[in-house]
Amino acid sequence: AQTVTQSQPEMSVQEAETVTLSCTYDTSESDYYLFWYKQPPSRQMILVIRQEAYKQQNATENRFSVNFQKAAKSFSLKISDSQLGDAAMYFCAYFNFGNEKLTFGTGTRLTIIP
Amino acid sequence: DTAVSQTPKYLVTQMGNDKSIKCEQNLGHDTMYWYKQDSKKFLKIMFSYNNKELIINETVPNRFSPKSPDKAHLNLHINSLELGDSAVYFCASSQEGGYYEQYFGPGTRLTVT
Repeated sequence: AQTVTQSQPEMSVQEAETVTLSCTYDTSESDYYLFWYKQPPSRQMILVIRQEAYKQQNATENRFSVNFQKAAKSFSLKISDSQLGDAAMYFCAYFNFGNEKLTFGTGTRLTIIP
Repeated sequence: DTAVSQTPKYLVTQMGNDKSIKCEQNLGHDTMYWYKQDSKKFLKIMFSYNNKELIINETVPNRFSPKSPDKAHLNLHINSLELGDSAVYFCASSQEGGYYEQYFGPGTRLTVT
């Protein structure tokens, strides 16, 4: 079974600084998708960024970028120029084509220090 | 316009009762999901439907029964509620194939007393 591990239950960063959230996953598949979702205090789950496993180029969305290391099964999220609105729970997720399931990690709570 | 809506947002009920949570999406998506988020924020898939057909049925108690009257709606009915059912339940939808972005509803916080 696929597992997704987020080893940092909590992280904090000064406003305007850069922070990296870690994620590792376990799979025997070669084709899959990876996601980062954000859950602010409002509880709404929002997609931050998506990465296709077959693409070597790391995905980027404005201030958010990933470091995808397929061989190491690592998928970290970098947030640049952190803003107060970035404060949230961040979930890493893995999509398996075989069972069509999205498996989530346990989340990292990110606090932004003004 | 709300893309994925759920009703109610909060539900407080007693053990043994039966309750339903409704979900509607206006995105024209073919696939809809139910997830459960427990008190530790762990999010896990329960069910998924593609065009009204059940695709994923995780090992949840059979007290939980999803119903999809059409591809825009996916309701969750829970019989004989137990304390352990207390959680936040999220509905989501996506284009066919979960590798597309899943759009989540606002969640329903269920509290069983």
